[in-house]
Amino acid sequence: QQQVKQSPQSLIVQKGGISIINCAYENTAFDYFPWYQQFPGKGPALLIAIRPDVSEKKEGRFTISFNKSAKQFSLHIMDSQPGDSATYFCAASWNQKVTFGIGTKLQVIP
Amino acid sequence: DAGITQSPRHKVTETGTPVTLRCHQTENHRYMYWYRQDPGHGLRLIHYSYGVKDTDKGEVSDGYSVSRSKTEDFLLTLESATSSQTSVYFCAISTGTGGYTDTQYFGPGTRLTVL
Repeated sequence: QQQVKQSPQSLIVQKGGISIINCAYENTAFDYFPWYQQFPGKGPALLIAIRPDVSEKKEGRFTISFNKSAKQFSLHIMDSQPGDSATYFCAASWNQKVTFGIGTKLQVIP
Repeated sequence: DAGITQSPRHKVTETGTPVTLRCHQTENHRYMYWYRQDPGHGLRLIHYSYGVKDTDKGEVSDGYSVSRSKTEDFLLTLESATSSQTSVYFCAISTGTGGYTDTQYFGPGTRLTVL
């Protein structure tokens, strides 16, 4: 049972463009929605996270948009750079347990 | 990196042999986790621990066992390794202390190959 559905699985964006990754969840008990960034050969690292009581959170070029009624959330990367090329995982957690999406491999081309 | 180390970092073993992976943390966090990462599946929880000697199963626990005799160490054992357990294994800790979920931090991973 895939409780967190993530799309697309791969994404190619031109340098300077906007990268958008979407996720949907089922369990309304989830109380924390982090995004992780993973480079090849490394462990996932927290990028940005949001609680369900806010609709948007921005940190630099990264923004999470959260729609509680639709049970959807998305990551927007503004002014995408080649250094952003990585795999991105959305996640949802409750009671100290985290469920991850399957990941999106982002490639930013010059 | 939240002071998480994993050992070994790489291991090749044969089908049917037992394998133990170690996760060590330096900051005495209560919650520790073992995940496996496979293409097309993302990260899947194997087992987790909420204190010394307190552990519980995740979604893919069959064929795995864990132990936590000290706060800083969380061991994952493959009782009899199979080729389907070839994967990258990540340990994680959570900075949460109770019911309100908090951030997980991941170790560098162990690449396990079962021949």
